[in-house]
Amino acid sequence: GENVEQHPSTLSVQEGDSAVIKCTYSDSASNYFPWYKQELGKRPQLIIDIRSNVGEKKDQRIAVTLNKTAKHFSLHITETQPEDSAVYFCADLTGNQFYFGTGTSLTVIP
Amino acid sequence: NAGVTQTPKFQVLKTGQSMTLQCAQDMNHEYMSWYRQDPGMGLRLIHYSVGAGITDQGEVPNGYNVSRSTTEDFPLRLLSAAPSQTSVYFCASGVGSYNEQFFGPGTRLTVL
Repeated sequence: GENVEQHPSTLSVQEGDSAVIKCTYSDSASNYFPWYKQELGKRPQLIIDIRSNVGEKKDQRIAVTLNKTAKHFSLHITETQPEDSAVYFCADLTGNQFYFGTGTSLTVIP
Repeated sequence: NAGVTQTPKFQVLKTGQSMTLQCAQDMNHEYMSWYRQDPGMGLRLIHYSVGAGITDQGEVPNGYNVSRSTTEDFPLRLLSAAPSQTSVYFCASGVGSYNEQFFGPGTRLTVL
């Protein structure tokens, strides 16, 4: 079955620095790649997504890049703020099934 | 719109008991799904539905049943609870699978 690997599992950055989280996937049929943010005790919420026909997408301080040849995609957060502290999950859609990474706990140090 | 709602918020079961986790959405979404979230393992898909009357298995379906008699509701049934089913369960819905998924608030289930 499909396998999504996410790294790193924990990440600490100083406020204002950038954070990068990387995911790899195995199924070349995967065609949609969302990123979710989950604050402690809350539900996951979509922060950005990218489809397989696009290489990069940006929304203010957040960007996602996709390399279909290498089967990896990355989340980039610039000018990090304390409120960016949360667990971030990547996912891919294969057929009608979502497969999630194991999450990255991001801590932004003021 | 209430979005995606789940009941109950918390539940404690004894091994062997059965129960149903409720999920409802008022956004007329065709795609609905159930996940379990365990520490260090992310979210894993249990079952999903692409429309009323249609359900299919996800990554970890054993021990769970679903039905989709209406567009709005997608209940998850635990047939005979086991301690391994202790987890946080999230329901989600979207216009389709190829779109943003909206998650419910979750149900924290403990099986003793």
